[in-house]
Amino acid sequence: RKEVEQDPGPFNVPEGATVAFNCTYSNSASQSFFWYRQDCRKEPKLLMSVYSSGNEDGRFTAQLNRASQYISLLIRDSKLSDSATYLCVVNQIYFGSGTKLNVKP
Amino acid sequence: DAGVIQSPRHEVTEMGQEVTLRCKPISGHNSLFWYRQTMMRGLELLIYFNNNVPIDDSGMPEDRFSAKMPNASFSTLKIQPSEPRDSAVYFCASRVPGGGVGDTQYFGPGTRLTVL
Repeated sequence: RKEVEQDPGPFNVPEGATVAFNCTYSNSASQSFFWYRQDCRKEPKLLMSVYSSGNEDGRFTAQLNRASQYISLLIRDSKLSDSATYLCVVNQIYFGSGTKLNVKP
Repeated sequence: DAGVIQSPRHEVTEMGQEVTLRCKPISGHNSLFWYRQTMMRGLELLIYFNNNVPIDDSGMPEDRFSAKMPNASFSTLKIQPSEPRDSAVYFCASRVPGGGVGDTQYFGPGTRLTVL
């Protein structure tokens, strides 16, 4: 079983839509959680950390559910520039395979 | 800050040849990570170093792969002999000093390797 699992997508949504991704992890003792963004043919870049209490950064909200062992990312009012692959990361080194988001005009 | 620097950015080689990938971490960062990314397997950790010492190399595919970090500002990943299935993008990343599991990594631009 993989350490981290994500739905690969793609998620095709219109501009302005709200979209949510989930990511499940297998190790209940995991301590840190992140969302990274990766543009085509570029390196992954940190989008946001995920705290137990949940956290919000503008249009982006990340949440952690320890009981069910998943993290989520919610993007409100999607922009064309949000089109990318979103990777969840557990304990710094375990990356999901990524969820591709396409925001259409 | 220049960020993590990797070279070469692109490498095309023939099967059986030796390939050396290079990485310069962000100055002052004391943890360095090597990853490989393919469409089929996603982003996989190969090895990471803390203070130039290899901590976990369980992700290194086989004996053909080796990594070194002779000093705090330089690391290499070597494949000898290379095979077509090694074709991938290889990323290097570094992390702030004293960073625990809660600290983020900064990735280099990657080396796109093609083995013919």
